[in-house]
Amino acid sequence: EVQLVESGGGLVKPGGSLRLSCAASGFTFSSYTMNWVRQAPGKGLEWVSSISSGSSYIYYTDSVKGRIIISRDNAKNSLYLQMNSLRAEDTAVYYCARDQKGTMVADYFDLWGRGTLVTVSS
Amino acid sequence: EIVLTQSPATLSLSPGERATLSCRASQSVSSYLAWYQQKPGQAPRLLIFDASNRATGIPARFSGSGSETDFTLTISSLEPEDFAIYYCHQRSIWPWTFGQGTKVEIK
Repeated sequence: EVQLVESGGGLVKPGGSLRLSCAASGFTFSSYTMNWVRQAPGKGLEWVSSISSGSSYIYYTDSVKGRIIISRDNAKNSLYLQMNSLRAEDTAVYYCARDQKGTMVADYFDLWGRGTLVTVSS
Repeated sequence: EIVLTQSPATLSLSPGERATLSCRASQSVSSYLAWYQQKPGQAPRLLIFDASNRATGIPARFSGSGSETDFTLTISSLEPEDFAIYYCHQRSIWPWTFGQGTKVEIK
């Protein structure tokens, strides 16, 4: 079955760190650009970060630059998000999402995981 | 950053009615726009990409149109399972952005 499964979410204090993982199965993970998209409780969707298939190209939204690192291990079919210096405004469900074509521009999220909740609170 | 403004915020309709959702971009995104559907407690699902192409498995009652700055998602005849929140999304210029969503609710 083609799927993405996130893990690693939880409750963390402001300033703390967390590492999210996304396990891919049912498709050739190494061929696809992968992304993290988040959704604060009761709010809309926000793109967080993207990484190309071979990790050559990495992009972040401005609000997380310098605090969050995206990475992948194609041998393990896994995507990661290392989150440091966490703030209350980082509280959200974090979704792992696959790009449809691998072109980055003019590409779209065609496969999503169910998400993992990150809560930043003291 | 490209701002996507969706209207209306909420659309109250009955099953069988036609739904017309709008997404306006603050600058041209060419045709690099998608629509997603999200139901409570679920991940979003890709409906339309490149403004007018239906994603795999999406019923023909969903259609998209538009280019540059003005886009429309049309649901020709609402089914009970179509009541959800719909987001537009641009993949033209970094950072990728989403609209704030339109909720289609049962009247």
